[in-house]
Amino acid sequence: GQQVMQIPQYQHVQEGEDFTTYCNSSTTLSNIQWYKQRPGGHPVFLIQLVKSGEVKKQKRLTFQFGEAKKNSSLHITATQTTDVGTYFCAVTTSGTYKYIFGTGTRLKVLA
Amino acid sequence: EAGVVQSPRYKIIEKKQPVAFWCNPISGHNTLYWYRQNLGQGPELLIRYENEEAVDDSQLPKDRFSAERLKGVDSTLKIQPAELGDSAVYLCASSPGTGTPGYFGPGTRLTVL
Repeated sequence: GQQVMQIPQYQHVQEGEDFTTYCNSSTTLSNIQWYKQRPGGHPVFLIQLVKSGEVKKQKRLTFQFGEAKKNSSLHITATQTTDVGTYFCAVTTSGTYKYIFGTGTRLKVLA
Repeated sequence: EAGVVQSPRYKIIEKKQPVAFWCNPISGHNTLYWYRQNLGQGPELLIRYENEEAVDDSQLPKDRFSAERLKGVDSTLKIQPAELGDSAVYLCASSPGTGTPGYFGPGTRLTVL
């Protein structure tokens, strides 16, 4: 079956440092969604990417969809303590609307 | 606009007991999902509804799990009987339509003793 891996599994950064998490799929994707889950909370939708090579920005967050539509990245510039949480990608392949969540990257920001 | 509502928020039961979770999606959202999230892992889809029709229940353990979405609005997820391995957070999500982002509820944390 389809596998969705996120790396790294954990990341500790000093406040102000940048952070990147990667989402890798074994198959070509139709689209990808990114979610953030705060400790003790529920996943909150951040962005959806559909096109090959697509880049979207939300303030300090930059999302990119790979040219081959098999991977994606989320980059946070100058992290803040409010960025703490686990970031999940959720992917779907052509012809299905079943979103498979990745393993997640847990981010800790040290003040 | 009210978000996805779930109840109860917490449930502790002994193994072999039945348990039920309830979800009220965002008004107007036709698509409803039930996910299970184990500690330290991503949500795993159990079932997806389009209106009142279960269009994907391939991941639902049908020997003990059941779900319904009467009238295409509220939904319930039931486990009977519960096993120790069912301890997890059960998340409900809804979306306006197929392929659109999901809005998650706060979840029900189930502990099976």
